[in-house]
Amino acid sequence: DIQMTQSPSTLSASLGDRVTITCRASQNLSHWLAWYQQKPGKAPKLLIFRASSLESGVPSRFSGNGSGTEFTLTVSSLQPDDLATYYCLQYNGFSWTFGQGTKVEIK
Amino acid sequence: EVELVESGGGLVRPGRSLRLSCAASGFAFSTFEMNWVRQVPGKGLEWLSHSSGSGRTMYYADSVKGRFTISRDNAKNSLYLQMNTLRVEDTGVYFCARGGPVRGFDYWGQGTVVTVSS
Repeated sequence: DIQMTQSPSTLSASLGDRVTITCRASQNLSHWLAWYQQKPGKAPKLLIFRASSLESGVPSRFSGNGSGTEFTLTVSSLQPDDLATYYCLQYNGFSWTFGQGTKVEIK
Repeated sequence: EVELVESGGGLVRPGRSLRLSCAASGFAFSTFEMNWVRQVPGKGLEWLSHSSGSGRTMYYADSVKGRFTISRDNAKNSLYLQMNTLRVEDTGVYFCARGGPVRGFDYWGQGTVVTVSS
């Protein structure tokens, strides 16, 4: 099974900061990775698919990068609405695995 | 507008069964892959099962393989999850989600709560 390691588990940053979340895979995923934002009591929301494609309607301050085994989600300028938990989701041909999640807090 | 609405959750004893449903609307259901994902309270997300658009191809997480069965009725625009031999650790919020590897899981339902307890 492919192992996903998402870091950090918690991130505290100030409004306007550039923040980056990383997901590392134990095997080559090519570009089959997506990023989600989840707010308390809500379903996850797709932000990025195929590692770097921005989902329609998602603010351009969100971007995804990477391929193979290392992927990043970057928020270029943190906004109050970005307070949430973020998850990566990898696909390896027969199954999907979520990262452990990164809780983003406003400092 | 795409909408996914789960139902069928509830309180059930360990070892018993439960069937979840997901009613889809606003898109050509039979042409889309579908999934079940769960979330233990206060914890992360766990993918459980995937169905191709036709329903002929299915995948399962190891944690539910042999106990849970995904199915769909494309005539009724509905996805199902039959859960047998339920365990306390199956407690959580169960989401249905549309999609597959190409675009990820792009639409999600609001979730239905399953509680397994004696």
